[in-house]
Amino acid sequence: DAKTTQPPSMDCAEGRAANLPCNHSTISGNEYVYWYRQIHSQGPQYIIHGLKNNETNEMASLIITEDRKSSTLILPHATLRDTAVYYCIVRPPGDKIIFGKGTRLHILP
Amino acid sequence: NAGVMQNPRHLVRRRGQEARLRCSPMKGHSHVYWYRQLPEEGLKFMVYLQKENIIDESGMPKERFSAEFPKEGPSILRIQQVVRGDSAAYFCASSQRGIEKLFFGSGTQLSVL
Repeated sequence: DAKTTQPPSMDCAEGRAANLPCNHSTISGNEYVYWYRQIHSQGPQYIIHGLKNNETNEMASLIITEDRKSSTLILPHATLRDTAVYYCIVRPPGDKIIFGKGTRLHILP
Repeated sequence: NAGVMQNPRHLVRRRGQEARLRCSPMKGHSHVYWYRQLPEEGLKFMVYLQKENIIDESGMPKERFSAEFPKEGPSILRIQQVVRGDSAAYFCASSQRGIEKLFFGSGTQLSVL
């Protein structure tokens, strides 16, 4: 079973920042937080991951709280192509990835 | 660099036939994962393989389903005597050493008539 809790859906206006929350209150010390997304019918796409520190790459930023019990994925300037299901995943090193239900993000024109 | 390649992209089988789904991982990757996605549902883990070894098959149905990842060649997910309930998208992913991010293929859509 997935060890994360995400809102089932969110809306965001095009051009605005999309902030997707995730709760993982039972996370263990060696478990990483991963974010993937799945655009309709396509294979999941890796976005970003982190352990303790905040991370940023060309796609997004990941903010992890100090107690590591929750995190937020930030898409700085959402476009229509960012419409997808976003999955927050907690994963021990070397283990499989278990997907939950994710957040369906709608970008509104 | 070629990504994870899955073929066929679409596969149609009649009830009782066998389905073979192939997955070629990214170059240099020795870890392969298979997932199934039923219509309008989430991705379900099936099996995790390393070259010539099954690491975790906790998500595989007990009957009719098998997977292999030989020393040479692609990983194969085999479904014997398919039933309508096997109709789904099957995704394969690979990673280099099992501890990094996974790269996913475009999937095989299996339709059972």
